[in-house]
Amino acid sequence: KAGVTQTPRYLIKTRGQQVTLSCSPISGHRSVSWYQQTPGQGLQFLFEYFSETQRNKGNFPGRFSGRQFSNSRSEMNVSTLELGDSALYLCASSPRPGLAVSSYNEQFFGPGTRLTVL
Amino acid sequence: AQSVTQPDIHITVSEGASLELRCNYSYGATPYLFWYVQSPGQGLQLLLKYFSGDTLVQGIKGFEAEFKRSQSSFNLRKPSVHWSDAAEYFCAVGAGGAQKLVFGQGTRLTINP
Repeated sequence: KAGVTQTPRYLIKTRGQQVTLSCSPISGHRSVSWYQQTPGQGLQFLFEYFSETQRNKGNFPGRFSGRQFSNSRSEMNVSTLELGDSALYLCASSPRPGLAVSSYNEQFFGPGTRLTVL
Repeated sequence: AQSVTQPDIHITVSEGASLELRCNYSYGATPYLFWYVQSPGQGLQLLLKYFSGDTLVQGIKGFEAEFKRSQSSFNLRKPSVHWSDAAEYFCAVGAGGAQKLVFGQGTRLTINP
């Protein structure tokens, strides 16, 4: 079974532009989460999608948005890019979310998209 | 709120030596705990996980971790490291009810030949 794929793998943008990153989950997985990794802040949760609905969102400004399609593929968008948005953006998929507070489902990570903002 | 602390930012060990990476967590309920490894320019690979049951869990690549509820710890161990183990290691706790991981800051492991 193919793993999580993310496109593009590398991206260079300039300040003020916007960018869209794509994530295809493992076949049969319906839950997708996004993370930002920077040297200063480490790995931080961005948002989680299931059945085309955002279930949870991390503490990021509104410039960061996402969506999920009916085939479970997900995109995230960052508008009005800032230098501080330079990061590795990781996508993770799982079969479904843990719907109860006491449950959790393992996430499988993609290789990430390296975004550089100049 | 959940939090994870990895006290050691950087550790250097000699090849063949034993390894222990420390992880402390804060979470109000039963934690779902993970160790991931990341090689330069790569994504995260799961080494092992603890959901419930036996507190000593075995993972891939010869790693193991022990969950100690009384100490809120989930330390990663390997009896004999190999040069290929050089990477960054992340401890994480899963938030029940949300597909969200809270990560520690990571520990960079360097192996001396």
